[in-house]
Amino acid sequence: EAGVTQFPSHSVIEKGQTVTLRCDPISGHDNLYWYRRVMGKEIKFLLHFVKESKQDESGMPNNRFLAERTGGTYSTLKVQPAELEDSGVYFCASSQGPDQPQHFGDGTRLSIL
Amino acid sequence: AQRVTQPEKLLSVFKGAPVELKCNYSYSGSPELFWYVQYSRQRLQLLLRHISRESIKGFTADLNKGETSFHLKKPFAQEEDSAMYYCAPLYNFNKFYFGSGTKLNVKP
Repeated sequence: EAGVTQFPSHSVIEKGQTVTLRCDPISGHDNLYWYRRVMGKEIKFLLHFVKESKQDESGMPNNRFLAERTGGTYSTLKVQPAELEDSGVYFCASSQGPDQPQHFGDGTRLSIL
Repeated sequence: AQRVTQPEKLLSVFKGAPVELKCNYSYSGSPELFWYVQYSRQRLQLLLRHISRESIKGFTADLNKGETSFHLKKPFAQEEDSAMYYCAPLYNFNKFYFGSGTKLNVKP
């Protein structure tokens, strides 16, 4: 089966610009998660979708981050405007059920200049 | 706040030696415990989960609720085990809290 795919693999933008990350989960996985690892820190949970609904967005850092999953398939994570501290690797994961193992994508490396 | 502690950033052992990667977690509710691994140039992938009680690639992990630990062990390390290992309790049935990771380096 195709795994979780993320696009782009690397994005370099200037502070103040907007960037949109995309995640395509494994087909049939209703649960989709976003995580990120900023420089030198642990991988941290951002939010959890069940189909198109946000189940838990307790990890979203601030209102510059907007995640969507229209139609319950792929998801996007938009950062607007981007700040220097947003640099890091953004991971997407999906699972069949909320307590099932999560399958991770390769991540998107976001660099804010 | 939930915490996951992996005290060793780097662990170097010789091939054939036993290895133990330590993990302690803060207790809140009853998290399910997982170990994830990331090999060089590969994505993060599941190594094992406590509830399955499996041995994957020779690795096992014992949950000690009294000590809130979930240490990962392998009796004889192989060079191909070199990777980053993350302890990851699953809280609230949806969110992983990852440790900072331990880089295992198995020397020939």
